[in-house]
Amino acid sequence: DQQVKQNSPSLSVQEGRISILNCDYTNSMFDYFLWYKKYPAEGPTFLISISSIKDKNEDGRFTVFLNKSAKHLSLHIVPSQPGDSAVYFCAASAKGGATNKLIFGTGTLLAVQP
Amino acid sequence: NAGVTQTPKFRILKIGQSMTLQCAQDMNHNYMYWYRQDPGMGLKLIYYSVGAGITDKGEVPNGYNVSRSTTEDFPLRLELAAPSQTSVYFCATGTTSGNTEAFFGQGTRLTVV
Repeated sequence: DQQVKQNSPSLSVQEGRISILNCDYTNSMFDYFLWYKKYPAEGPTFLISISSIKDKNEDGRFTVFLNKSAKHLSLHIVPSQPGDSAVYFCAASAKGGATNKLIFGTGTLLAVQP
Repeated sequence: NAGVTQTPKFRILKIGQSMTLQCAQDMNHNYMYWYRQDPGMGLKLIYYSVGAGITDKGEVPNGYNVSRSTTEDFPLRLELAAPSQTSVYFCATGTTSGNTEAFFGQGTRLTVV
């Protein structure tokens, strides 16, 4: 029962172009969504988040879009840089338990080609 | 300010052995979590704690135990290690203010042979 799904295991993009990473979720109770970036042999690091009351959040080159009706979110990276090459995880949490438990997707490996 | 520190970084265990993965934080966060990441998979929540003295099961708790006697430490205990527990283990912390990101340690790579 995968509540958060990242259906693309990998993505290759040319430097300077846009990278679009996608994420789908099934639990309608999720109300907060995050993207994490992970380099090999390191822990995940927080990248950007969005609350369910918004449909877009932007931070520099990174923008996250949320489509609640489709239970879909995406991360746009513009322009992509070689240093962006990493595994990107989508994560979601739900209110109610006040535990801030994060449910993660399986990740997308982004390769930005110089 | 070290953040979240996990020890050891690597460990090889034989089947049936036991060990404790250590996690310490200096961020004064109430929430702490243990995740495991298997190859090609996302992070699965093993156990979590919302404060000292309070722990609860996550998605995949079988074969593990935790304790939380202080705010700073959240050790994960493996009893009777099995090959299925070969994984990378991540400890993370979070605040009580809701809807905030979790901060992760560097991970412990465990191999059970």
